[in-house]
Amino acid sequence: DTAVSQTPKYLVTQMGNDKSIKCEQNLGHDTMYWYKQDSKKFLKIMFSYNNKELIINETVPNRFSPKSPDKAHLNLHINSLELGDSAVYFCASSPESSSTGTSGSTDTQYFGPGTRLTVL
Amino acid sequence: DQQVKQNSPSLSVQEGRISILNCDYTNSMFDYFLWYKKYPAEGPTFLISISSIKDKNEDGRFTVFLNKSAKHLSLHIVPSQPGDSAVYFCAATAYSGGGADGLTFGKGTHLIIQP
Repeated sequence: DTAVSQTPKYLVTQMGNDKSIKCEQNLGHDTMYWYKQDSKKFLKIMFSYNNKELIINETVPNRFSPKSPDKAHLNLHINSLELGDSAVYFCASSPESSSTGTSGSTDTQYFGPGTRLTVL
Repeated sequence: DQQVKQNSPSLSVQEGRISILNCDYTNSMFDYFLWYKKYPAEGPTFLISISSIKDKNEDGRFTVFLNKSAKHLSLHIVPSQPGDSAVYFCAATAYSGGGADGLTFGKGTHLIIQP
């Protein structure tokens, strides 16, 4: 059973195109995330969604837009792709948000297999 | 600005010996730390975590130590096995007063277990 799945696994496209990456989790988690692993291998948070509400939006260009049709899905849409968008994108989910205020209450995040995006 | 640093890009350890992976952080607001293991072409897999209210957490062959005053944590694997060969990411997060937190990751350490 796949807990967090992403499609496609590989995506090769031309500059200027619009593309989407899909993410689904069957864990019943409340929160989902998108991370980008850049060329220097750093994993950086892009977005998170909790009950269809955008919680985090780091300094990500507005060409990137997360869309969550339901709690189990968080898709990433990218418009006008640029060369610098080439990276591996990881989806993740966690059971609940860190809302209790208690140190150590943050829940573990479970990651998908990643989508390698190559922009030519 | 790297808030989580793993200064060793790679580490080679003989099978059966102890592997020690190190991680330093700069953000004093971090209060929860995690280690992830990643094989090629796969997503990171959660390994072990520790809250800032503890200084040690053990799970089988894996132990994480936290030194808050030094802003340092380490992952000990003993005994090391060939299947432990992977990239290990240190990650941290801070309670933000509500809402979901992203994780801040280090750059990873490639652990190679030699037979």
